[in-house]
Amino acid sequence: NAGVTQTPKFQVLKTGQSMTLQCAQDMNHNSMYWYRQDPGMGLRLIYYSASEGTTDKGEVPNGYNVSRLNKREFSLRLESAAPSQTSVYFCASSETGTSEAFFGQGTRLTVV
Amino acid sequence: GENVEQHPSTLSVQEGDSAVIKCTYSDSASNYFPWYKQELGKRPQLIIDIRSNVGEKKDQRIAVTLNKTAKHFSLHITETQPEDSAVYFCAATHGTALIFGKGTTLSVSS
Repeated sequence: NAGVTQTPKFQVLKTGQSMTLQCAQDMNHNSMYWYRQDPGMGLRLIYYSASEGTTDKGEVPNGYNVSRLNKREFSLRLESAAPSQTSVYFCASSETGTSEAFFGQGTRLTVV
Repeated sequence: GENVEQHPSTLSVQEGDSAVIKCTYSDSASNYFPWYKQELGKRPQLIIDIRSNVGEKKDQRIAVTLNKTAKHFSLHITETQPEDSAVYFCAATHGTALIFGKGTTLSVSS
């Protein structure tokens, strides 16, 4: 039982490059989330998906897009990376919006 | 949207002392309040949660209290140990989203 799996673990991008962060869960959860973690700022919600086929903006959605490909997978895309997007990104999933969220191991992204 | 404020941002205690972390939230419809612990370089993990129909919940040395009228909830850790040193996050629901506070870095010295 892998839980929540994120790829890649580390990535360095040049300003303006694009990339997609992948997330998959094997717990049959309905809700999935993308957060970014910056020092002193806690975990800020970028986008979330309450169920397959739906996505909603969170607290800091600008510069990102998401796709809920199926119930298992929720990807985060940076179309034109900026240095301000340097962060640690966490994907999480939960059975519902009011149950324990399980986090992936994180992706450390650096934009130079 | 939901605003979750967490205090203090850092907390230093001696081993065996108690630690209290407080959070307030703005959305009166919030009904689920989890607490997560994140050790250095690791992912956040749930340590305890409480729902809006309960005022207090305890699990060994950890307890959480909720005051829905005042819109605040607190984490209490008793008999702290060095392995309790970590960053602690509170969170509250906003619709189907989960919004986190900025975290509290707890340091327990022996």
